[in-house]
Amino acid sequence: EDKVVQSPLSLVVHEGDTVTLNCSYEVTNFRSLLWYKQEKKAPTFLFMLTSSGIEKKSGRLSSILDKKELFSILNITATQTGDSAIYLCAVDADTGGFKTIFGAGTRLFVKA
Amino acid sequence: DGGITQSPKYLFRKEGQNVTLSCEQNLNHDAMYWYRQDPGQGLRLIYYSQIVNDFQKGDIAEGYSVSREKKESFPLTVTSAQKNPTAFYLCASSSGRLYNEQFFGPGTRLTVL
Repeated sequence: EDKVVQSPLSLVVHEGDTVTLNCSYEVTNFRSLLWYKQEKKAPTFLFMLTSSGIEKKSGRLSSILDKKELFSILNITATQTGDSAIYLCAVDADTGGFKTIFGAGTRLFVKA
Repeated sequence: DGGITQSPKYLFRKEGQNVTLSCEQNLNHDAMYWYRQDPGQGLRLIYYSQIVNDFQKGDIAEGYSVSREKKESFPLTVTSAQKNPTAFYLCASSSGRLYNEQFFGPGTRLTVL
């Protein structure tokens, strides 16, 4: 059975800290790995990763994929209270169609 | 403005009633999805549709039904057969091309009284 596992499930840090969120997966016919941020309602897209070892960056956020070890990390440097959210990892599988498997998410809370 | 909308935002229903959640997109996306989100469980796929007049069951389809008569619309019916329907429901769409970034609607929170 396909699965995506995120860790930790929740995390509390202080402003300015650096955090690393983990995502491991076991998915047949992997196509891409995606990170989303969910603040209150609708998840919003952060990154899509398809190739191993190539870091994607957007401001203080960065992510990298390891297709050999089947995991990805999302780093957030110099955290701010606005980074408080649930971070979702998802894997898109090539099933002949389009199927995405989501992890349970990591709930990050950044204290002022 | 292009986007994906869901209605209503909040919905209350009595046990034994069927309810239909609306999802509309004007992004010209081929694929549409319905997810259910419960605390601590992330998103679980209920149904998805790759093209008009075609849809597939996801991991938790029991007690739900969908239709895809138009490209823009993918309504979800929560039937009385769904044993624990109280949850947050998210609709999403994607272009359906090789890389499948999904765009999400604002969600509908359903509470069964």
